Amino acid sequence: QKEVEQDPGPLSVPEGAIVSLNCTYSNSAFQYFMWYRQYSRKGPELLMYTYSSGNKEDGRFTAQVDKSSKYISLFIRDSQPSDSATYLCAMSDNDMRFGAGTRLTVKP
Amino acid sequence: EAQVTQNPRYLITVTGKKLTVTCSQNMNHEYMSWYRQDPGLGLRQIYYSMNVEVTDKGDVPEGYKVSRKEKRNFPLILESPSPNQTSLYFCASSLFMNTEAFFGQGTRLTVV
Repeated sequence: QKEVEQDPGPLSVPEGAIVSLNCTYSNSAFQYFMWYRQYSRKGPELLMYTYSSGNKEDGRFTAQVDKSSKYISLFIRDSQPSDSATYLCAMSDNDMRFGAGTRLTVKP
Repeated sequence: EAQVTQNPRYLITVTGKKLTVTCSQNMNHEYMSWYRQDPGLGLRQIYYSMNVEVTDKGDVPEGYKVSRKEKRNFPLILESPSPNQTSLYFCASSLFMNTEAFFGQGTRLTVV
């Protein structure tokens, strides 16, 4: 079993839809949780950063962490074609672990 | 502009021919690391460095070497590349291990 599991998709939604991206993990020591966005032929860029459990909102993006279930989510409201990218979850304590990434396409 | 610069962006080489991928950051970050990205496997850490002259193995270090002689530079060395090292490589830097990582543009390496 991988330490971080993420459904690779691909996920295709119409413009304006609410998108839900998820990761599960097995290491209860993880304290820092991140979501990175990676456009084609680019390096990943940090989208959201959360410490421990709870919710964090930034514009159209909401990150949720449920440590009791070892489950994190990223919600994108009013999705736009410019949100089309691969989304990677990442988490760490002493070591950083990345999910495999979910490829999202938002169709106009 | 804060950035991590990798070179080259694309490289095709033959088995056994030593190569170096350079990485430089201008943010005075302590922590730097190298990852490889393969379909279905995500980002896997090759080596990391917590400061000058301090390097350590990540999850997949076999066949790679690194050095950290200066804070800004962290080159990745493949002494004898093999086809299973064909991959997309990313260098990243961050202030500390658990803070935001800034990634380079990536190096697409093909070993034939």
